[in-house]
Amino acid sequence: DIQMTQSPSTLSASVGDRVAITCRASQSIDTWLAWYQQKPGKAPKLLIYKISSPESGVPSRFSGSGSGTEFTLTINNVQPDDFASYYCQQYNTYPWTFGQGTKVDVK
Amino acid sequence: QVRLVESGGGVVQPGRSLRLSCAASGFTFSHYGMHWVRQAPGKGLEWVAVIWFGGTSENYLDSVKGRFTISGDDSKNTVFLQMDSLKAEDTAIYYCARKGPGFDLWGQGTLVTVSS
Repeated sequence: DIQMTQSPSTLSASVGDRVAITCRASQSIDTWLAWYQQKPGKAPKLLIYKISSPESGVPSRFSGSGSGTEFTLTINNVQPDDFASYYCQQYNTYPWTFGQGTKVDVK
Repeated sequence: QVRLVESGGGVVQPGRSLRLSCAASGFTFSHYGMHWVRQAPGKGLEWVAVIWFGGTSENYLDSVKGRFTISGDDSKNTVFLQMDSLKAEDTAIYYCARKGPGFDLWGQGTLVTVSS
């Protein structure tokens, strides 16, 4: 199975900060990487697919980058609505796997 | 309105069975890959199973292979997850999700608790 390792596990930020979450795959996943946001008690929400393509309606402060086995989700100018958990996911090889998650909380 | 609505969760004893349903509306589920993803209490997301294009192919997480079966009913626009021989470690919220560019549509989830 392809292991997806996110860092950090927790990230403390203030409104207006720029934050970055890293996701490393245990082997190449081509371009098949997505990022999701999840708030407590809610289903995940797709933010980014194919490494860097934003889902419709997602604010432009969210961006994705990377290649091969290392990927980054960047949030520019963090807003109050952005405090949540974030997950990366590879969908190159079954079983499709998620990172363990990164919680972005208030500093 | 485009949505997914899961049902069928509950409390079940180890070794027993449960069938989850995911009703799709606003789109035809057989045009997509439809997935089940679970989340144990306080834990991360875990992909469970997929059915492609109404049943042309399926795939499963190894730990549920042989115990869970995914299927679809075109007439009801509904995807099912038959879960047999349930174990305590299957306790989770089960979400169904549509594979568009990523998992672009999720249901609200249904809680399955396996406990004696």
